[in-house]
Amino acid sequence: KAGVTQTPRYLIKTRGQQVTLSCSPISGHRSVSWYQQTPGQGLQFLFEYFSETQRNKGNFPGRFSGRQFSNSRSEMNVSTLELGDSALYLCASSTAWTSGRTYNEQFFGPGTRLTVL
Amino acid sequence: AQSVTQLGSHVSVSEGALVLLRCNYSSSVPPYLFWYVQYPNQGLQLLLKYTSAATLVKGINGFEAEFKKSETSFHLTKPSAHMSDAAEYFCAVSDSYTGNQFYFGTGTSLTVIP
Repeated sequence: KAGVTQTPRYLIKTRGQQVTLSCSPISGHRSVSWYQQTPGQGLQFLFEYFSETQRNKGNFPGRFSGRQFSNSRSEMNVSTLELGDSALYLCASSTAWTSGRTYNEQFFGPGTRLTVL
Repeated sequence: AQSVTQLGSHVSVSEGALVLLRCNYSSSVPPYLFWYVQYPNQGLQLLLKYTSAATLVKGINGFEAEFKKSETSFHLTKPSAHMSDAAEYFCAVSDSYTGNQFYFGTGTSLTVIP
């Protein structure tokens, strides 16, 4: 089974631009979560999508948004880029999760390294 | 709310020595706990997980961790370090209510000295 894929792997943008990152989950996985990793803040949860609906959202400004398509692929968008948005953006996929049910393992992609100049 | 504290942002051990990476968690409900490893320019790879079954959990590459509720700890150990263990290690927590929303520690960078 192919793993989680993220494209592009590297991006360089300038302040004020916007960017779209893509994540293709493992086949059969319907949940996609996004994380931002920076040296100062570590790994922080951005949001989770399941069946094209955002289920959970972390504490990030509205410039960060996402969506999920019917084939479970997900995109995240960052508008009006700031220098502080430079980070590794990780995507994780899981089969599903329902409140109160047992845990389902998450699988992480290699990440997209975004540099904002 | 959940949180994780990893004591020691950098740990150095000699090849063949015991590896001990510390993780303490805070959770108001029974937690799920995880250790992930990250090699340079790569994503996160699951080492092991605790999901309320056995308290001593064995993972890949010879790592194991013990869930101690009384100490709210989930420390990662390996009896004998190998050069290939040099990487960044992250402890994470979730629970049956937050599910796929993980809370990560700040990470511990492990250096193995030959």
